Amino acid sequence: QQPVQSPQAVILREGEDAVINCSSSKALYSVHWYRQKHGEAPVFLMILLKGGEQKGHEKISASFNEKKQQSSLYLTASQLSYSGTYFCGTGVMDSNYQLIWGAGTKLIIKP
Amino acid sequence: EAQVTQNPRYLITVTGKKLTVTCSQNMNHEYMSWYRQDPGLGLRQIYYSMNVEVTDKGDVPEGYKVSRKEKRNFPLILESPSPNQTSLYFCASRPLTGREQYFGPGTRLTVT
Repeated sequence: QQPVQSPQAVILREGEDAVINCSSSKALYSVHWYRQKHGEAPVFLMILLKGGEQKGHEKISASFNEKKQQSSLYLTASQLSYSGTYFCGTGVMDSNYQLIWGAGTKLIIKP
Repeated sequence: EAQVTQNPRYLITVTGKKLTVTCSQNMNHEYMSWYRQDPGLGLRQIYYSMNVEVTDKGDVPEGYKVSRKEKRNFPLILESPSPNQTSLYFCASRPLTGREQYFGPGTRLTVT
């Protein structure tokens, strides 16, 4: 079953913060975050494994709440280059090779 | 340069005319996968392969075939395309125990 991403879309001014959530009804082994710019292929941002570890990537970080089967992506002091669609891919406990992807969250950053 | 290549990038075809979309990677990755991307649905996996001669169905395999005769190549075959297969297709690869998937540039397919 596809994980649910929220919000579906968000518009920010440059410098503002954003949080994107990814929730699954299945027990998760991993959560993968990707960003896709318009007309381009998805690009890997980070992966989180069960255990609630928080990972960071410059001003983009993420957390994984194992109890809630939920991951959140935090974009701090957003830049114009952060615009794009963010996807979470979830790895379930019984299948480490397949990812089930959310529908995506479109992020628009305005100057 | 490490990359995944797909050909063609754009294809317009008619219902029932067999077609093949090629995918090749130069990173010696064991795992390769095909996805289709449709608005509002995100990425849906069609087929994946964990190594040469090892393939398995993803979430939406109907109407598609794949083969993995060489480690670097993973072609997607539509034997009788239909309009509901109009979509944006991505090929991806990664090491079997790796975490980051590398995506190809995408193939936009239109079936009329």
